[in-house]
Amino acid sequence: RKEVEQDPGPFNVPEGATVAFNCTYSNSASQSFFWYRQDCRKEPKLLMSVYSSGNEDGRFTAQLNRASQYISLLIRDSKLSDSATYLCVVNVGTGNQFYFGTGTSLTVIP
Amino acid sequence: NAGVTQTPKFQVLKTGQSMTLQCAQDMNHEYMSWYRQDPGMGLRLIHYSVGAGITDQGEVPNGYNVSRSTTEDFPLRLLSAAPSQTSVYFCASSNGRTGGYYGYTFGSGTRLTVV
Repeated sequence: RKEVEQDPGPFNVPEGATVAFNCTYSNSASQSFFWYRQDCRKEPKLLMSVYSSGNEDGRFTAQLNRASQYISLLIRDSKLSDSATYLCVVNVGTGNQFYFGTGTSLTVIP
Repeated sequence: NAGVTQTPKFQVLKTGQSMTLQCAQDMNHEYMSWYRQDPGMGLRLIHYSVGAGITDQGEVPNGYNVSRSTTEDFPLRLLSAAPSQTSVYFCASSNGRTGGYYGYTFGSGTRLTVV
């Protein structure tokens, strides 16, 4: 079983729509959680960390459910510039092992 | 600050050749790592280092060597290139020994093709 699994996508949504991605992780000892954004042929860039209480950054909301072992990312009022691949990342145990999901592709359509 | 700098950006190797991918960071980060990214596989950890003089294997270390003689530099060596090593390679660094709470800063990647 993979350490981290994501919705396969792709997600194609119109501008202004709300879209949500989910990510499940297998190790209950996981300690830190992140969402990264990766544009085509570019490096991943940190979008936001995910805190136990949930957190929001503008149009983006991240939530963590430890009991069910999943994290989510909600994007409100989608913009064309949100088109990218979103990677779920989980840090396990002592912190030197980060596991990446395979990514979910989002295309925002005019 | 330049952040994490990787060179070269593109490389074509013949099977059996060796080469070194360079990675340097100017943020005084303790933790550095190398990942490869393949379609449908996500990013997989090759090797990592928690400080100068300390390295360890990740998920897919075979065929690769690393060293960390300084805090700034973390080169990745391909010993004898194989077509299976065709991939995009990313170097990443993080503030803090574990990086657990700060996330990574990635370099722009090296696209390697082995023919």
